[in-house]
Amino acid sequence: GESVGLHLPTLSVQEGDNSIINCAYSNSASDYFIWYKQESGKGPQFIIDIRSNMDKRQGQRVTVLLNKTVKHLSLQIAATQPGDSAVYFCAESLLTGNQFYFGTGTSLTVIP
Amino acid sequence: NAGVTQTPKFQVLKTGQSMTLQCAQDMNHEYMSWYRQDPGMGLRLIHYSVGAGITDQGEVPNGYNVSRSTTEDFPLRLLSAAPSQTSVYFCASSYDRQGTQPQHFGDGTRLSIL
Repeated sequence: GESVGLHLPTLSVQEGDNSIINCAYSNSASDYFIWYKQESGKGPQFIIDIRSNMDKRQGQRVTVLLNKTVKHLSLQIAATQPGDSAVYFCAESLLTGNQFYFGTGTSLTVIP
Repeated sequence: NAGVTQTPKFQVLKTGQSMTLQCAQDMNHEYMSWYRQDPGMGLRLIHYSVGAGITDQGEVPNGYNVSRSTTEDFPLRLLSAAPSQTSVYFCASSYDRQGTQPQHFGDGTRLSIL
């Protein structure tokens, strides 16, 4: 299977600061990447996605960056709020497949 | 708007018992899948379906069966539960057959096998 890994299992940030969550992937053929947020007791919730023909995509307070050269994905959260505390997962899919591969997750804690 | 509904939310089984985890979606999505989530291991794909009547194995299919008789429903069956199947199970769906759209997840079934 594919290797989709996160560099840090936990991250603590002060409220109002920016957060950066990183993800590495191993297969250069991966075409599509998604970031999910999972709150305690809930299923993963879609945050933002990016296709391999893009380097950057912005949403509301979130930005995803894709560096295909080093096979690296990051999620930036601006002005982090207590409601952003959750586990964040990256996932990738392959051009020829019907499967998503998930990373192990990073737990983000926002300190008021 | 119900989205993806999973039942039951919690279940305790004894080793060797069988049960079916139910998953239903009301978004007319073609693609449905089952994942299990274990501590420190992220989500792993068990089985998936690209449409009614079509199913395929994912990364960890052993011990599980699925069927897809309708677009809306995608039940997961444990024929003989084992303690190693203790986990949180998530069902997900998406519109696109090729898995190139965000998946919508249910809130999970927390299963304990004694």
